[in-house]
Amino acid sequence: KQEVTQIPAALSVPEGENLVLNCSFTDSAIYNLQWFRQDPGKGLTSLLLIQSSQREQTSGRLNASLDKSSGRSTLYIAASQPGDSATYLCAVPGGGGATNKLIFGTGTLLAVQP
Amino acid sequence: GAVVSQHPSRVICKSGTSVKIECRSLDFQATTMFWYRQFPKQSLMLMATSNEGSKATYEQGVEKDKFLINHASLTLSTLTVTSAHPEDSSFYICSATNQGFEQFFGPGTRLTVL
Repeated sequence: KQEVTQIPAALSVPEGENLVLNCSFTDSAIYNLQWFRQDPGKGLTSLLLIQSSQREQTSGRLNASLDKSSGRSTLYIAASQPGDSATYLCAVPGGGGATNKLIFGTGTLLAVQP
Repeated sequence: GAVVSQHPSRVICKSGTSVKIECRSLDFQATTMFWYRQFPKQSLMLMATSNEGSKATYEQGVEKDKFLINHASLTLSTLTVTSAHPEDSSFYICSATNQGFEQFFGPGTRLTVL
């Protein structure tokens, strides 16, 4: 059974710092991995999706890496801003198909202090 | 593109009543929709997978007679919480996919049962 965990559970940094969020999964046979952002009381915003054949994806100040063999992904946020404060979730498909249900990580609550 | 809406965004009801939540894909046809539940400070947990024109597949521990799911068209799925109780109070989020690699999430519905 696929399990996804994220560390740290919470992180507080001063504005401008670069930071790394970690995601690990127990079953390395994944089709892809997604990173999401969730603001309090809101739905999810997809940040990056990495296919299993890729090692990283970049979007603006965000860079996500994927190491399937070790069951790990990282989300790197450069030059953090107060507006980056949110909960960050990683997720992988839980079944044999790429469109199957997503298994979510436990989330990292990020606070960027101005 | 790939916008998913949910209605209502917030609902408060008395214990014992039924509540219907709608999930719509606005600009694409969703062959599969998913319903998730999120308790405070916890991650998303999949409740059921809904395929257009067929019965929903429920996750273990989710009562199908309590959480009725209908996916009558390629753009609409509904979740009805029957005889709601305070322990059903939660944040309900749907997602939709058109057999691609990504799921697109709705903004969520906050249910409070008094």
